[in-house]
Amino acid sequence: DGGITQSPKYLFRKEGQNVTLSCEQNLNHDAMYWYRQDPGQGLRLIYYSQIVNDFQKGDIAEGYSVSREKKESFPLTVTSAQKNPTAFYLCASRDRGNTEAFFGQGTRLTVV
Amino acid sequence: SQQGEEDPQALSIQEGENATMNCSYKTSINNLQWYRQNSGRGLVHLILIRSNEREKHSGRLRVTLDTSKKSSSLLITASRAADTASYFCATDDIDTGRRALTFGSGTRLQVQP
Repeated sequence: DGGITQSPKYLFRKEGQNVTLSCEQNLNHDAMYWYRQDPGQGLRLIYYSQIVNDFQKGDIAEGYSVSREKKESFPLTVTSAQKNPTAFYLCASRDRGNTEAFFGQGTRLTVV
Repeated sequence: SQQGEEDPQALSIQEGENATMNCSYKTSINNLQWYRQNSGRGLVHLILIRSNEREKHSGRLRVTLDTSKKSSSLLITASRAADTASYFCATDDIDTGRRALTFGSGTRLQVQP
């Protein structure tokens, strides 16, 4: 089955810890994206990547980092510098051009 | 920055009724897309309308686009309880050239059986 997989589904982070959220796609898409969603809100762009070994900051990149070493993978690290990390994180991918995006099922991160 | 803004924020209707939600955006676009999100899940693409199109249909969905007013509407006809979800519009900002979808705040639709 082709698709985009996020893991874990639920993640708990202690204060001061870094955590990494996984996103893998087998759709052969060039572009990948990370969004943050707070309760009852829309999606805000954290980082995006159009090609391997290249990525750009979105609207709320502070406190986050990414890498794009492989076309299939775009992990997101939530660092201790992110003061309010509790949220629902969504990864997406799509072909080049302004086409539809395919989303993973999300990771819910909670600070404990 | 939030490009698209949906209206209303929440909508509650009875099964069988039509649901209309609106989206406004700020920049130039190549197309506008609508997505659906069930609670606690990822988004699913519904329909894409290009900037040179004024109306598009897909099953029970009808989308309109008015580029002069920078607005779009999504109509769901003969709604079902299973249509209960949040609906988002999304656009690519061609003014800045940023190749990433910007989403609105969404409309939460509740269809009462």
